Amino acid sequence: QVQLQESGPGLVKPSGTLSLTCAVSGDSISSSNWWSWVRQPPGKGLEWIGEIYHTGYTNYNPSLRSRVTISVDKSKNQFSLNLSSVTAADTAVYYCARDYGRGINWGQGTLVTVSS
Amino acid sequence: DIQMTQSPSSLSASVGDRVTITCRASQAISSYLAWYQQKPGKVPKLLIYAASTLQSGVPSRFSGSGSGTDFTLTISSLQPEDVATYYCHKYNSAPRTFGGGTKVEIK
Repeated sequence: QVQLQESGPGLVKPSGTLSLTCAVSGDSISSSNWWSWVRQPPGKGLEWIGEIYHTGYTNYNPSLRSRVTISVDKSKNQFSLNLSSVTAADTAVYYCARDYGRGINWGQGTLVTVSS
Repeated sequence: DIQMTQSPSSLSASVGDRVTITCRASQAISSYLAWYQQKPGKVPKLLIYAASTLQSGVPSRFSGSGSGTDFTLTISSLQPEDVATYYCHKYNSAPRTFGGGTKVEIK
């Protein structure tokens, strides 16, 4: 059974870069799945951020495309999210996920707060 | 890009009531539509995929229907444990957008 675990700083300063890593176990990052990031601001809905395939091909939410980079590290079986020029509006629980086509396996999520 | 619009944004119903939530896509997405249930502080849980296929282990009071642009999630007899926020999700292609959510409460 696949397990995903997010890690990274819980506090980021405004104008800085949010960086998170998702460690995958129970599946290979090279399997035929998309590896995704989804976020949820406190008290609000789910927002799809983007995804990566093991080949390195990425898709991003158009509203975040200019600030987002998702990368994959096959040697460590993990993938990462970088979100630049953050503001308070980027405060959210960030989930990493495996999209297997008809559904999503979710990590537990990690709260990232943008504050000075 | 395809937008997903859910309605209502919230509802309150009595135990045993039939509850219906709708999701409309701004363009046709065939049946590439899933429904998730999220309880406070928890990870979203898959209920329905392919618009109408019940995920294993999900109670049969949940059902989904629709194709193209209009979809429905129905709870045939609302139970106290169904209090949650429900999201539709299009997964045919990127961006894989979520609907805005419907918060279901007990009256």
